[in-house]
Parts: sequence; C-alpha cells; structure tokens
Amino acid sequence: KAGVTQTPRYLIKTRGQQVTLSCSPISGHRSVSWYQQTPGQGLQFLFEYFSETQRNKGNFPGRFSGRQFSNSRSEMNVSTLELGDSALYLCASSLEGRNTGELFFGEGSRLTVL
Amino acid sequence: GNSVTQMEGPVTLSEEAFLTINCTYTATGYPSLFWYVQYPGEGLQLLLKATKADDKGSNKGFEATYRKETTSFHLEKGSVQVSDSAVYFCALGGDDDKIIFGKGTRLHILP
Repeated sequence: KAGVTQTPRYLIKTRGQQVTLSCSPISGHRSVSWYQQTPGQGLQFLFEYFSETQRNKGNFPGRFSGRQFSNSRSEMNVSTLELGDSALYLCASSLEGRNTGELFFGEGSRLTVL
Repeated sequence: GNSVTQMEGPVTLSEEAFLTINCTYTATGYPSLFWYVQYPGEGLQLLLKATKADDKGSNKGFEATYRKETTSFHLEKGSVQVSDSAVYFCALGGDDDKIIFGKGTRLHILP
C-alpha cells in the first residue's frame, strides 16, 4: 500500500509570493490533516479535511487555507508569504480522522521563504 | 485549551541505558494519548497509544501508561539501542477531535 505522498519536497519562495502544497493520502483514507513543524514551536495543527469539508481548524491566520478533492487528495495554500512561514509542512491521513485513530504522515514539504 | 508538555531535549544516553521521556497533558474530558517517533529524514510514525486511564501502550520495547491522576504519559524503555536515535513526540487527541503534539524530544544514543 502506498504511503502518504507530499509534493513538492523542497521549495524556495520570496516574501509576498504564494505557495500551494499537495498531499495524496493513503488509498481509502478520507481524513487529511496538515501541520506546520518548526524547531521553536514543534508541530502546530493547521486544519483537517474530511470528505471535502474542513472539519477542524487551528489558530493560523487566513493566509493559510486548504481544500480537499473528491478523491481525498488535499492541497494547502499560503498567500503573501512571510519569513516566519519557513517550515516543514506535514500532511497526515487517517481512515476516519477521529482522535483514537492513527495518523499516517508524509515526509513533508520543506518551505524556505527568503 | 488542550495542551501537551514534554521534556526538553536533546537527551543523550549510552546504549543499553534506561530511557524515560516525560510527558504531561492538560485536557477536558477523556483524551487519547499517543507517542509518535520521527527518524532522520522521515515523517512521523505512531509508536504506541492509550485510549483510557490506566491503559498501557507498548511497542518495540517502549511502554507508556496513561495516568489520569497525574495527567501523565511518560515514555520508557529498559535498554535503548543506537537505532532508537530519533525525535519523540507526545500527542493528545481531545474531545474536539484535534490531535495536538508536544514540541518533541530529540534522543541521541551513543554506542
């Protein structure tokens, strides 16, 4: 069974630009969650999508958005990039997304903002 | 809101030493508790979990017991190996269905 796939793995942007990251979950998984990982803050929850609907949201500004498609693939977008958005963005999928289940993580997309 | 606090790293031990990584939580209701591990260059993977008080999760020689009275879920291993070198994350799944993570503890095992 293929794992969670994130693209691109690495990218460099400049301040003010926007970026779109993609996540393909494990086949059959309907929930996709996104996290931002930084050395100082650890993993911070961005949002979770289930059956194309945002079901949960963390405390990030509106510049961070996402969506989920009918095939469960998900994208997240960050507009008007700031230096502080440099981070590893992790996607995780799960069967149902409820908190008793296991999250399966991708290897992440490392974003550098210059 | 819910939160997870785990001991700061890095933690450096010699091979075959006893390991404890402390984790405490704050939550309303009855959360599920997890330990995830991130090996170098890889994504996080679930190491063990416990879904109710007094449950013990175990895997690969690691153990953690859900202690509601002390709101803790400390990770232990009796004899660590070099291959256990990784970053360990304590996590909580609350009534709001969000899974939130501690900041992670980097573990170095010396041969």
